[in-house]
Amino acid sequence: KAGVTQTPRYLIKTRGQQVTLSCSPISGHRSVSWYQQTPGQGLQFLFEYFSETQRNKGNFPGRFSGRQFSNSRSEMNVSTLELGDSALYLCASSIGTGPSYEQYFGPGTRLTVT
Amino acid sequence: DQQVKQNSPSLSVQEGRISILNCDYTNSMFDYFLWYKKYPAEGPTFLISISSIKDKNEDGRFTVFLNKSAKHLSLHIVPSQPGDSAVYFCAAVRGGSYIPTFGRGTSLIVHP
Repeated sequence: KAGVTQTPRYLIKTRGQQVTLSCSPISGHRSVSWYQQTPGQGLQFLFEYFSETQRNKGNFPGRFSGRQFSNSRSEMNVSTLELGDSALYLCASSIGTGPSYEQYFGPGTRLTVT
Repeated sequence: DQQVKQNSPSLSVQEGRISILNCDYTNSMFDYFLWYKKYPAEGPTFLISISSIKDKNEDGRFTVFLNKSAKHLSLHIVPSQPGDSAVYFCAAVRGGSYIPTFGRGTSLIVHP
């Protein structure tokens, strides 16, 4: 079974620009979550989509948004980029129902804002 | 306010010895706990989990212990191998939430 894929792997953007990141979950997984990882801060939860609906949301400003398509693929968008948005953005997929809580992560997208 | 805390940012262990990584949590509503391992330039990989109805779960060299009264869990790796060198994240889930809360990680270095 193919793992979680994320594109692009690396991205350099300028302050004020916007960016879209993409995530393809494991086949059969209906939940996709997005995390931001910065040095010393661990994994900060952005949002989770389940069956095309945002089911959970973290404490990030409205500049961060996402969506999920009918094939469970998900995109995350950040508008009006700030220097502090430089981070590793991780996508994780899971079954999203029942007693299974394990998430499976992609390799991440390294975003650098200059 | 950190609900999941990994108070040791780093740990150094000799190959063949036991590695013990610790994690504390404050939210008594958490009822499922997971450990993830992360190598540089890769996403975290699920390692082992434990439900709050158990106090121990084993998988090969990895054992997780849960002390609910102390709100503490630990991951034991025996014997430690150089390939175990990575950052280990503890995570906790509130039942029905499906969103884990992660600790900030502990960097384990296993010396040959």
